[in-house]
Amino acid sequence: QSALTQPASVSGSPGQSITISCTGTSSDVGGYNYVSWYQQHPGKAPKLMIYDVSKRPSGVSNRFSGSKSGNTASLTISGLQAEDEADYYCSSYTSSSTFVVFGGGTKLTVL
Amino acid sequence: QVQLVESGGGLVKPGGSLRLSCAASGFTFSDYYMSWIRQAPGKGLEWVSYISSSSSYTNYADSVKGRFTISRDNAKNSLYLQMNSLRAEDTAVYYCARISTGRYYFDYWGQGTLVTVSS
Repeated sequence: QSALTQPASVSGSPGQSITISCTGTSSDVGGYNYVSWYQQHPGKAPKLMIYDVSKRPSGVSNRFSGSKSGNTASLTISGLQAEDEADYYCSSYTSSSTFVVFGGGTKLTVL
Repeated sequence: QVQLVESGGGLVKPGGSLRLSCAASGFTFSDYYMSWIRQAPGKGLEWVSYISSSSSYTNYADSVKGRFTISRDNAKNSLYLQMNSLRAEDTAVYYCARISTGRYYFDYWGQGTLVTVSS
C-alpha cells in the first residue's frame, strides 16, 4: 500500500484537461511544499514534470501545472495530447523516518 | 548532458547478493546527493536509499534497512548499491537518480537495471 493515494486511472480526449489527485497527510503533502510529479512511459524511466508543488523544470510544457490544497496535491494537464498517455506518480517529502514517499501511480489514457 | 547508466542487475537466488552500479556523467557528481529507487514489475515507485555528496549521510527505506548498503566513489563518478539477503519481494527495476541540490525531488533518472530474485 502506497503512502500517497492516487486514482488508478483517468482519461480524457485530445484537447481536454484532466486533473490527477494525490492525497497524503499533514506529515507529507499537507505539511511541506515538496510535492513532485513524474511521468513514465511504458518501459522508460520516470521524468520529472513538476517540483515544489507547482514549479516546472526547463523543457516541460506549460500544459502541465501543479497545485496543492490541504493534504491533497493535484497535477493538471491541459490541451491533452496523445503523447501525454503515460503513468503519473506523485511524490512528497515526509517527516517520518523515510525520505520521500510515492503515490501508487495513475494511468492516463488519451481517448 | 546528464547521463546515469545503471548496471549489475540479473537473476539471483533468494538469500543471495548483488551489487548494482551507476555511472554518472555530464555533471559534477561530487556536488549531488544520489538515490536508488525501485519499481517492482507492474507496480509503482519505491524509494530505496540516498547518500549525501560526501558519503557522510545515508538513509534507507525500512524494507531494505540492514540488508542494502549504498555507497559512492566520487573519483570514479559512480554510485553503488550492495544488496544482501535478497528476497523475492526485492525483484524490481532499480533506478539510479540524482537528487536536486537541497531539495526533495529527483531531477534525472537512469534507464534502470532489472534485479530478479528467484530460485
